[in-house]
Amino acid sequence: SQQGEEDPQALSIQEGENATMNCSYKTSINNLQWYRQNSGRGLVHLILIRSNEREKHSGRLRVTLDTSKKSSSLLITASRAADTASYFCATAHNNNDMRFGAGTRLTVKP
Amino acid sequence: EAGVAQSPRYKIIEKRQSVAFWCNPISGHATLYWYQQILGQGPKLLIQFQNNGVVDDSQLPKDRFSAERLKGVDSTLKIQPAKLEDSAVYLCASSSRGLINEKLFFGSGTQLSVL
Repeated sequence: SQQGEEDPQALSIQEGENATMNCSYKTSINNLQWYRQNSGRGLVHLILIRSNEREKHSGRLRVTLDTSKKSSSLLITASRAADTASYFCATAHNNNDMRFGAGTRLTVKP
Repeated sequence: EAGVAQSPRYKIIEKRQSVAFWCNPISGHATLYWYQQILGQGPKLLIQFQNNGVVDDSQLPKDRFSAERLKGVDSTLKIQPAKLEDSAVYLCASSSRGLINEKLFFGSGTQLSVL
């Protein structure tokens, strides 16, 4: 079964604006990862946050994790048209069996 | 470093026919995953291999789906017979050792259409 649920399902913003996507999950995790998928392509790993971490940065990406609320957020700052893609959160339990949510479809208008 | 290779890229079959997908993971990666991604949904794990052994196949519809990873390198996923609801993208992924906190590397997928 799927583990994470992203919110919103779809997001449309103008270039230069920030985009925030949220992910909720149901059971305890070892880590939470965010992936990006361009149309017709495979998923690409963006960032991993461990269960004992609260915030992590990578370039224009900022991820937060609140294990008490079983939720995470992905912030993309100063968005670009090239950021248009679907974004998925994934959680790992045992044996690194990654389970993905339904994703947020982000559209960045030039 | 070469990525995860999958073939074919597209496949169109009629229901009740059989189909097979092939995946070659990144060289040296011990863990291999097959995911099914239905249009508009996230990837759903079908099966996870560690070398040539199955770690998790709890979501694999075993009455029609089968997968193998002989010699612990490349893998094939087969559907026999196919149903309309099997129309999806089948993604293969690999990771180095299958340890917690490893990221997954994905292939571009095989898009299956069952008519």
